[in-house]
Amino acid sequence: QKEVEQNSGPLSVPEGAIASLNCTYSDRGSQSFFWYRQYSGKSPELIMSIYSNGDKEDGRFTAQLNKASQYVSLLIRDSQPSDSATYLCAVNGNTDKLIFGTGTRLQVFP
Amino acid sequence: DTAVSQTPKYLVTQMGNDKSIKCEQNLGHDTMYWYKQDSKKFLKIMFSYNNKELIINETVPNRFSPKSPDKAHLNLHINSLELGDSAVYFCASSDGLAYNEQFFGPGTRLTVL
Repeated sequence: QKEVEQNSGPLSVPEGAIASLNCTYSDRGSQSFFWYRQYSGKSPELIMSIYSNGDKEDGRFTAQLNKASQYVSLLIRDSQPSDSATYLCAVNGNTDKLIFGTGTRLQVFP
Repeated sequence: DTAVSQTPKYLVTQMGNDKSIKCEQNLGHDTMYWYKQDSKKFLKIMFSYNNKELIINETVPNRFSPKSPDKAHLNLHINSLELGDSAVYFCASSDGLAYNEQFFGPGTRLTVL
């Protein structure tokens, strides 16, 4: 079992829709969870961090964390073509490393 | 006023050569990292330094040697380059250890011919 798992996609959504990206992790001791956006040929850009169970909203982005079920998700409301990118889920583990998933490619079509 | 910067942006070299990548951050962070992103886009940590002290050293060939002259700089020297070293190398920094948010540099695309 991979430490951090994401569906590679592509996830295709129409402009204006809600995009839902999911991530599961294996280390129950994980304490911090991050979503990064990576455009092709660019570096990962931090868009959300979440540390406790529940929802955290920032503009059009909402991160959801459920530690009991070991999953973290990212919702993007009113998706725009400019949101088309690869979204990386990252989780810290007991070894104090950030473990990344392989990313989900999101395509928002007009 | 770039937060995390890396040089060079591109590096093309022959097998067997030695090369270095430099990283600097002006965020005042005390922890810096080197990551490798392979052709399948998988991002994996290589090294981590906290206040110039090596704290994470993944199973990386010893041809790779990081050096941190101060907490704002972290360099990566690679000896005897191999074809499999071709990848994008990202530097990152954080305030404290991996519990906290990490911010990435623009990356160095290394191509070994």
